[in-house]
Amino acid sequence: DIVLTQSPGTLSLSPGERATLSCRASQSVTRNFLAWFQQKPGQAPRLLIHGASTRAAGIPDRFSGSGSETDFTLTIGRLEPEDFAVYHCQQYGSSPLTFGGGTKVEIK
Amino acid sequence: QMQLVQSGADVKKPGASVKVSCKASGYTFTDYYIHWMRQAPGQGLEWMGWIIPNSGGTNYAQNFQGRVTMTRDTSINTAYMDLSRLRSDDTAIYFCAFCASIGCLRGMDVWGQGTTVIVS
Repeated sequence: DIVLTQSPGTLSLSPGERATLSCRASQSVTRNFLAWFQQKPGQAPRLLIHGASTRAAGIPDRFSGSGSETDFTLTIGRLEPEDFAVYHCQQYGSSPLTFGGGTKVEIK
Repeated sequence: QMQLVQSGADVKKPGASVKVSCKASGYTFTDYYIHWMRQAPGQGLEWMGWIIPNSGGTNYAQNFQGRVTMTRDTSINTAYMDLSRLRSDDTAIYFCAFCASIGCLRGMDVWGQGTTVIVS
């Protein structure tokens, strides 16, 4: 199974700052099928990025994904108040699908 | 629009079974696999498996082999996840979701609202 390790566990930032989240895989992710989700309390996850770097429909361009094989990054260019949430990475290139433990982006 | 609507919250006793439903609308139900995930309180997401609505074929995560059964009823566009021999650590929010693209090329982009299952 591919283990995904997200860091940091918590990121304390102010609105307008840049956020950089990391997701490291224990082995290469097939076809770079790596996704990022945003989740707010009481809600289902929302797809932000698929294929490591492609924004999902309707996602603002302040969200960007990069990386390949085992190292992936989600960058939020300038944090808006609605961006404070938990972010999950997921690999969906091989079974079993796996998720990272999440990074909470909180207001400093 | 494409949508998944799940059944309501449930409380079960240890050792019992729970069946969660996931009703699809806005697309052809048999076109895409349905995945099931869960999220324990304060924890990350855990993939449980998928079902192919067209054939009924399934693929379960090893952690749930022997306890989970995924089924579907194509006449009412609904998928089901049945988890048996419940334990307190099965307390979680259960989600269904699918990739609205062939081969999941655009990621898992449609999710149900989640169903809270409490085992107590």
